Amino acid sequence: EPEVTQTPSHQVTQMGQEVILRCVPISNHLYFYWYRQILGQKVEFLVSFYNNEISEKSEIFDDQFSVERPDGSNFTLKIRSTKLEDSAMYFCASRMGLDSEQYFGPGTRLTVT
Amino acid sequence: DAKTTQPPSMDCAEGRAANLPCNHSTISGNEYVYWYRQIHSQGPQYIIHGLKNNETNEMASLIITEDRKSSTLILPHATLRDTAVYYCIVRVATIKNNNDMRFGAGTRLTVKP
Repeated sequence: EPEVTQTPSHQVTQMGQEVILRCVPISNHLYFYWYRQILGQKVEFLVSFYNNEISEKSEIFDDQFSVERPDGSNFTLKIRSTKLEDSAMYFCASRMGLDSEQYFGPGTRLTVT
Repeated sequence: DAKTTQPPSMDCAEGRAANLPCNHSTISGNEYVYWYRQIHSQGPQYIIHGLKNNETNEMASLIITEDRKSSTLILPHATLRDTAVYYCIVRVATIKNNNDMRFGAGTRLTVKP
């Protein structure tokens, strides 16, 4: 069964460093998403991406964040200068159509020290 | 989007049906009801979704009341592996919002032996 994959599973970085989280969505999906979940809190929407551009973003997704689909398979989330409060699980998701279900990846645990 | 209300926690005996309620009294006609679950810190897992009619798949059944103001997710024979946080999400699919999922606190279901 096709699935969303994410790498790395765990990333440790120092405050102020740039990190890139990678995702490979399901191959025939058209809509892509990033979410985050701070430990013990709810899953929060960050950004949605369709047709090679951001279609919606939350207030969390400020200028420090960017997303890119550099080729036909990868979908990346970049955090330019990480802060301690960026420590969280980051989930990528993808969807085929507007009324279809989203499939989530296993997540990347980002730890900022 | 319509708000949802779910009980914070529920218990269920292994092998019995788990019935998880969700209130969405302000739902509008074009909003879908989605159910996801999250086992520990894994990525959210899609369970089922529906608009008006009851739905059933290999995982669960979704019962939506005729007025669409509430719904019930039914896991017919709960197992220990169904212990998770279950999220009821109401969302309209439009080009603008791309149907990202907005997660609340959900219901923590504990299946007991």
